[in-house]
Amino acid sequence: NAGVTQTPKFRVLKTGQSMTLLCAQDMNHEYMYWYRQDPGMGLRLIHYSVGEGTTAKGEVPDGYNVSRLKKQNFLLGLESAAPSQTSVYFCASSYPAGGLDEQFFGPGTRLTVL
Amino acid sequence: RKEVEQDPGPFNVPEGATVAFNCTYSNSASQSFFWYRQDCRKEPKLLMSVYSSGNEDGRFTAQLNRASQYISLLIRDSKLSDSATYLCVVGGLTGGGNKLTFGTGTQLKVEL
Repeated sequence: NAGVTQTPKFRVLKTGQSMTLLCAQDMNHEYMYWYRQDPGMGLRLIHYSVGEGTTAKGEVPDGYNVSRLKKQNFLLGLESAAPSQTSVYFCASSYPAGGLDEQFFGPGTRLTVL
Repeated sequence: RKEVEQDPGPFNVPEGATVAFNCTYSNSASQSFFWYRQDCRKEPKLLMSVYSSGNEDGRFTAQLNRASQYISLLIRDSKLSDSATYLCVVGGLTGGGNKLTFGTGTQLKVEL
């Protein structure tokens, strides 16, 4: 099993450009999450999904959109990138234990917005 | 007040030492508790879950005090390979549903 994978691993964008980050998991998990991690801030939840076709806002959703068209994939979109979105983005997935169970993380995407 | 608070460190300890990390959380309705480990520029990985009765996994011991809303992690006989950032994680009802809340982490450096 590959677990949770993320594409791309690194990306540099100019302000105003758009991009999509792809997360895939092969563990048949119902729940998937997108986090950003910044120095001194810890992991902050952007959006999450409790199942195929459903999404919900997390702690810091502004400037991001998500889609969960297939159970195994969770996409994070930046429509118009801003320097404040420079961060490391982690995707995670978990069993459907009401959102309280262990989360498995992907290797991260390092995004720089100039 | 942060939902999950940790001393950021760094804790610099010699190999073989015993080191303890503490964490406090603000949501009294929290239901699940974990310690994650994060190596530099890598993803967080579960180190151990924390149970009310306390639990041990080899050199690692975790304790939970619900009354004080306090979690601890004890590492005995530290190894160089234990150098990492340790994240305290608490699960509970926040905002629109159950979620995990991550502390900012405590950095451990084990030295020769």
